[in-house]
Amino acid sequence: GAGVSQTPSNKVTEKGKYVELRCDPISGHTALYWYRQSLGQGPEFLIYFQGTGAADDSGLPNDRFFAVRPEGSVSTLKIQRTERGDSAVYLCASSLAPRLGGDTQYFGPGTRLTVL
Amino acid sequence: QKEVEQNSGPLSVPEGAIASLNCTYSDRGSQSFFWYRQYSGKSPELIMFIYSNGDKEDGRFTAQLNKASQYVSLLIRDSQPSDSATYLCAVRRGSQGNLIFGKGTKLSVKP
Repeated sequence: GAGVSQTPSNKVTEKGKYVELRCDPISGHTALYWYRQSLGQGPEFLIYFQGTGAADDSGLPNDRFFAVRPEGSVSTLKIQRTERGDSAVYLCASSLAPRLGGDTQYFGPGTRLTVL
Repeated sequence: QKEVEQNSGPLSVPEGAIASLNCTYSDRGSQSFFWYRQYSGKSPELIMFIYSNGDKEDGRFTAQLNKASQYVSLLIRDSQPSDSATYLCAVRRGSQGNLIFGKGTKLSVKP
């Protein structure tokens, strides 16, 4: 079956511009996560959705970052006034509803964002 | 102190040997523990999860958890060159969904 898909695969933008990154989770997965990964680092949590609502947005670094999931499926991560430090691979993952142990987060291929 | 710590490596082992990857975590409230493999330029893929003290085996992989020592390890038996990748340790607190990852250990298996 289809896995997690993310678009675009690569995005190059200029400092100060606005970008949107899209994630299409596995069908039936109610939980959706955004992470970002810088070179040589592990993925860093940004935000987690359970259904349409953000269950935990404590990882968003500042108010330039925002994410939505209006119909409980596709999610969009929005970054305003991009900065060079935002350059990273943005990973989306989805899973069935979390429970204690046992659930698997399936990662998409990521969007590589480069801010010039 | 980082929440999840791993030796970044590289760890080099000969083909057929046992590779031992280690991870420590700081939050005693962590309840679920995961090992992901990440090939260069690719996204992480789950190898194993463990949430009870002791060992859990799956094929050539064994995860070990010691909550008292806040220590998780992954053993890879009969290492193959195709096992060469970065191995990420991740922990999760209770019922929350997000994972906290270490920096990863780069493993190189030499033919």
